Amino acid sequence: EAGVAQSPRYKIIEKRQSVAFWCNPISGHATLYWYQQILGQGPKLLIQFQNNGVVDDSQLPKDRFSAERLKGVDSTLKIQPAKLEDSAVYLCASSLHGAVNSPLHFGNGTRLTVT
Amino acid sequence: AQKITQTQPGMFVQEKEAVTLDCTYDTSDPSYGLFWYKQPSSGEMIFLIYQGSYDQQNATEGRYSLNFQKARKSANLVISASQLGDSAMYFCAMTLNEKLTFGTGTRLTIIP
Repeated sequence: EAGVAQSPRYKIIEKRQSVAFWCNPISGHATLYWYQQILGQGPKLLIQFQNNGVVDDSQLPKDRFSAERLKGVDSTLKIQPAKLEDSAVYLCASSLHGAVNSPLHFGNGTRLTVT
Repeated sequence: AQKITQTQPGMFVQEKEAVTLDCTYDTSDPSYGLFWYKQPSSGEMIFLIYQGSYDQQNATEGRYSLNFQKARKSANLVISASQLGDSAMYFCAMTLNEKLTFGTGTRLTIIP
């Protein structure tokens, strides 16, 4: 079984620039998550999709972050414009049935550095 | 609001010894799930073990076991016979209403 694929692996941009991350979940997994992990902290949920609908985006800074999951498969997360405090690892995860009793499978993440 | 607390920022353990990583949680909902994940220096999050709030027995997966004390709202991870490859960050996480929330993590270092 192929795991969760994310790209790029690393990205360095200047503040006020835009950036996009891509995620392809495990085949058949209906639920997809984007997490932000700042150095030294635990991951924080940004947005959760069930198929192509948003389940929870309460912690997504909507003035600069956007995400979509067209056709209920792969997903993109965009930041525009980026701020210094957006420097973090962005983790994508998927699960078969949702997070209640089904473990999340994570990708390797995208490490973003904003200078 | 749900809350996960890991009070040990770092731990050093001798190889082959057992280690317990602490986790407490706070929720008033009777239905929830508890997970432990391992994050090596390479960055990937690896699922270790799961415990449901209604499970009567403590979960075990190989060298990992979860010491679930519901009344104390604790879900400690026990790693038996630690190995050098166990050196990593360990995160406790709780699901409630299909939302997974993580603690701040414990950095475990195994000493040869």
